[in-house]
Amino acid sequence: GESVGLHLPTLSVQEGDNSIINCAYSNSASDYFIWYKQESGKGPQFIIDIRSNMDKRQGQRVTVLLNKTVKHLSLQIAATQPGDSAVYFCAEGANRDDKIIFGKGTRLHILP
Amino acid sequence: DAGVTQSPTHLIKTRGQHVTLRCSPISGHKSVSWYQQVLGQGPQFIFQYYEKEERGRGNFPDRFSARQFPNYSSELNVNALLLGDSALYLCASSFGGGPDYEQYFGPGTRLTVT
Repeated sequence: GESVGLHLPTLSVQEGDNSIINCAYSNSASDYFIWYKQESGKGPQFIIDIRSNMDKRQGQRVTVLLNKTVKHLSLQIAATQPGDSAVYFCAEGANRDDKIIFGKGTRLHILP
Repeated sequence: DAGVTQSPTHLIKTRGQHVTLRCSPISGHKSVSWYQQVLGQGPQFIFQYYEKEERGRGNFPDRFSARQFPNYSSELNVNALLLGDSALYLCASSFGGGPDYEQYFGPGTRLTVT
């Protein structure tokens, strides 16, 4: 399939270690933040979301942290597995309109 | 249940031509959004339709248009194709129209303009 994100920043992580992917978002008025995973040849897949009135949310093996003071979002993946290899995008949305704005992606590469 | 489906999967067109891309949402979903993803970048929002009405429009020229049908499927039309329109076009469906409704993406249509 086609390759997504040929020139994206890459994070290389040893299998079994924790991964932290960071994102700086642009709009202080955004109400909603989402992390997506995109594997080669596929569309983005929802991972986890967080509302602007929260600073942390946990899912299965993933945690999202939101720091509104510095407009920073992070995705933590525990015990990284080979299947986690993909490009990860943060995205933001506001209730006043229906756009979802994607940030620049990060390629996660898992080392054996 | 089938996920979001898009057709065609690949398409090659010549500059100046017109193209129509199609999307079928997940059953029960009433909102469809279209995105353009250029290689190496994140998806860029083009349109959102909810209950057959345009709910949002991104920063794209008027050559781009879309519509949603009574069965909630959608078409994206691009006129007077330019080389820069070459991209992966993604469709996403959601139950509702707001950004807090989870969007489910299709596999995309790869458009190449020569």
